[in-house]
Amino acid sequence: GAGVSQSPSNKVTEKGKDVELRCDPISGHTALYWYRQSLGQGLEFLIYFQGNSAPDKSGLPSDRFSAERTGGSVSTLTIQRTQQEDSAVYLCASSLGDRSYEQYFGPGTRLTVT
Amino acid sequence: KNQVEQSPQSLIILEGKNCTLQCNYTVSPFSNLRWYKQDTGRGPVSLTIMTFSENTKSNGRYTATLDADTKQSSLHITASQLSDSASYICVVSYLLSGTYKYIFGTGTRLKVLA
Repeated sequence: GAGVSQSPSNKVTEKGKDVELRCDPISGHTALYWYRQSLGQGLEFLIYFQGNSAPDKSGLPSDRFSAERTGGSVSTLTIQRTQQEDSAVYLCASSLGDRSYEQYFGPGTRLTVT
Repeated sequence: KNQVEQSPQSLIILEGKNCTLQCNYTVSPFSNLRWYKQDTGRGPVSLTIMTFSENTKSNGRYTATLDADTKQSSLHITASQLSDSASYICVVSYLLSGTYKYIFGTGTRLKVLA
């Protein structure tokens, strides 16, 4: 079946603008993760959704970052008032169950803030 | 502090040669260790996963080892191919208050030359 898809693949935005990044997980996967990968850095956990449970937002770097998951499927990561340090690749992953299950990653969205 | 360190940062080898990538961690309490391959512009793909009781796991030409006493893991690639050119990421998970957490290494960038 189809893997995790993300859109757009690339996004260039001006500092101060808001952006929305979309993730379509693998059908049937109940868990969804967002990560940020900055140049030369390891993946940084942002947020985790599991079923109907309250999301784990412990990795969100500031209140400018938020995410939603509608209907237990598609997720949107929103960054408000973007800053240059937000430039990174944003990766989404999904898994069949909780965090003990293997995660399948999407191709990522490369965000560039000018 | 929970950390995952990988070495070398980058590596260039000739096609057909073998190589070994290292991962040292200080994560506790240890749950499992995964190696991922990340092609340029793609999301990471899982190669192997090892729990505390496993000290070796193979996936084709990739063989991972784990020494839980010294908290070291290695990924050995045999008879390298051009398609092995990628970043290899070590990820260690641990349990915190009943929730799995992940620490990602910064990766080793491997380039295989013809």
